[in-house]
Amino acid sequence: EAGVAQSPRYKIIEKRQSVAFWCNPISGHATLYWYQQILGQGPKLLIQFQNNGVVDDSQLPKDRFSAERLKGVDSTLKIQPAKLEDSAVYLCASSLGPRSVFGPGTRLTVT
Amino acid sequence: AQKITQTQPGMFVQEKEAVTLDCTYDTSDQSYGLFWYKQPSSGEMIFLIYQGSYDEQNATEGRYSLNFQKARKSANLVISASQLGDSAMYFCAIVGGSNYKLTFGKGTLLTVNP
Repeated sequence: EAGVAQSPRYKIIEKRQSVAFWCNPISGHATLYWYQQILGQGPKLLIQFQNNGVVDDSQLPKDRFSAERLKGVDSTLKIQPAKLEDSAVYLCASSLGPRSVFGPGTRLTVT
Repeated sequence: AQKITQTQPGMFVQEKEAVTLDCTYDTSDQSYGLFWYKQPSSGEMIFLIYQGSYDEQNATEGRYSLNFQKARKSANLVISASQLGDSAMYFCAIVGGSNYKLTFGKGTLLTVNP
C-alpha cells in the first residue's frame, strides 16, 4: 500500500511569514494526526482528526496554527505568522486502529 | 494523562551484540498500548513493535522484542544481534483508551559500533 505522503519535505522561511504543509494519509485511514517534533525531543501531538472532524486540538497554538481536513482525506496545516520557535519537523500520521503510520515529515526552519 | 520516561539519552553497542533500551510509563487508562518507533537521520518514524496492556506474552518482531513488566510499568525494547543500520533514535510511546494519539518519550540515541 502507498504510505503517508507529505509535502514539502523542507521549507525555510523568515519569521512572521506564513507557511502551509500538506498531508495525504493512507487510503481508508479515518484518523489523521499532525505532530510537531522539536530537535532533541519526541513528537508532540498538535491536532487529531477523525474523518473531517477534530478530535483533539488541545495543544495546537490556535493564535497562529490552523489545520483542516476537508472531505476527510488529505489535510493542510498552516502557520501564520511563524516564529523562531516553530522550527521543527512536522510529522503527519494516519491510522485505522491503535497503530499509526507516519509520513516522512516536513522540516521547517524559521530564520 | 499519560507519560513516557526514557532515561538513556544515548547508548552504544557493538555490532552483533544485544542491547536493551529502557522505557517506563505512567497512565490512568486500564487499557493501553505501548509502541517503539525507530527514527533514522532521515527523520521518518518507523514502527518496530507493539504491546497491548492485556497481552499476556511479550511481543516479538524479528530481532526486536518487548520486555513488558506491567507491575513495574516498564516496556523495554531488546534488539538482538545489532547491525550498523540500527544506529538511530528510538522512541517509546503509549496510547490509551479509545483515543489513539501517541504520547512519546524523549528518545534514546543508539549507536552501533563495528
